[in-house]
Amino acid sequence: KAGVTQTPRYLIKTRGQQVTLSCSPISGHRSVSWYQQTPGQGLQFLFEYFSETQRNKGNFPGRFSGRQFSNSRSEMNVSTLELGDSALYLCASRPGATYNEQFFGPGTRLTVL
Amino acid sequence: QQQVKQSPQSLIVQKGGISIINCAYENTAFDYFPWYQQFPGKGPALLIAIRPDVSEKKEGRFTISFNKSAKQFSLHIMDSQPGDSATYFCAASKGDSSYKLIFGSGTRLLVRP
Repeated sequence: KAGVTQTPRYLIKTRGQQVTLSCSPISGHRSVSWYQQTPGQGLQFLFEYFSETQRNKGNFPGRFSGRQFSNSRSEMNVSTLELGDSALYLCASRPGATYNEQFFGPGTRLTVL
Repeated sequence: QQQVKQSPQSLIVQKGGISIINCAYENTAFDYFPWYQQFPGKGPALLIAIRPDVSEKKEGRFTISFNKSAKQFSLHIMDSQPGDSATYFCAASKGDSSYKLIFGSGTRLLVRP
């Protein structure tokens, strides 16, 4: 099975712009979670989607949003970018509602100038 | 109470030696404890995981030791190899409606030839 794929892999934006990142989970996986990784804050949970519904949200401002489509693919959007949003954004997929194991994609490296 | 504390921050081990990384948690509701390995430019890869009803789990050269009463768990890498040089993250989650992973701060392991 192919792993979790994320596009684009690298992105450079300027402050005030918005960005959309995409994630395709492992085939058959219905849950997608997003994490932000920075040197200062480490790995932090953003949100999780299961069957197109947001099940949980981390402690991030409303500028961070996401959605999941019927084919389980997910997108996350960050509006009004700030310098501090520069990070590696990771997507992880799980097989279903009661499975703990999460498998991560390679991430999207976002740089905000 | 949601934190997972990881130590040491960095570790240097000679080839063939044992690498030991420790984590401690506060929330007794956590019921799933995975370890992830991350190479530069890659997403975290699930290495091994344990649940609190087991005190030890071994997969190849990797062993998790779990001490429920002390709320601590550790990763042992036996016969450490230069290819094991990476950053290791412990994590915890609780299997209620949220499967979000709470990550430790990471340990950068260097295995010298």
